[in-house]
Amino acid sequence: SQTIHQWPATLVQPVGSPLSLECTVEGTSNPNLYWYRQAAGRGLQLLFYSVGIGQISSEVPQNLSASRPQDRQFILSSKKLLLSDSGFYLCAWGVPAGVYNEQFFGPGTRLTVL
Amino acid sequence: DQQVKQNSPSLSVQEGRISILNCDYTNSMFDYFLWYKKYPAEGPTFLISISSIKDKNEDGRFTVFLNKSAKHLSLHIVPSQPGDSAVYFCGGNQGGKLIFGQGTELSVKP
Repeated sequence: SQTIHQWPATLVQPVGSPLSLECTVEGTSNPNLYWYRQAAGRGLQLLFYSVGIGQISSEVPQNLSASRPQDRQFILSSKKLLLSDSGFYLCAWGVPAGVYNEQFFGPGTRLTVL
Repeated sequence: DQQVKQNSPSLSVQEGRISILNCDYTNSMFDYFLWYKKYPAEGPTFLISISSIKDKNEDGRFTVFLNKSAKHLSLHIVPSQPGDSAVYFCGGNQGGKLIFGQGTELSVKP
């Protein structure tokens, strides 16, 4: 069966510090991978998605970047965090060209920037 | 440009009654719509979906209705249970990307 892991579960970082959140998927090959953010009082916003190694599409201009160094690894990064980067970050995977592109979400990382 | 909108941030329903969560969209290219349920501090879990060529899909207590002419869909939960209390997200799929609404927090009172 497929599983998706995210770490850390919670993170408190000062403004201006770097960020690295990691997501890995097991039990599937060549998945589509996604990073979402849920800011306080807001919905799920798609930040990045990837259809393969090294292939990253950015959905919104922001202070963050993403990389996919391996097939089942997706990393969210920032060189200098802003207060507005606080939120709940979710990684998800999906089957390429799936019937209805159901996505499976990880447990999330709660990021607080102080 | 918000392509998917859930205009009700919260909904409170009595146990055993029907819960109706609404969702509006603007993108005619969505080919599927999906509903996800999310508990605090957890990732969303898939609930039910509907193809854009259908107008209804039912799975147990959950039914999703799609009105393409109105660009509107709704999720019906009957009967509602306290365990249904969560945030519900509506999402439209286009090319493997899901665009979500803001979510509606459902509270089912015993």
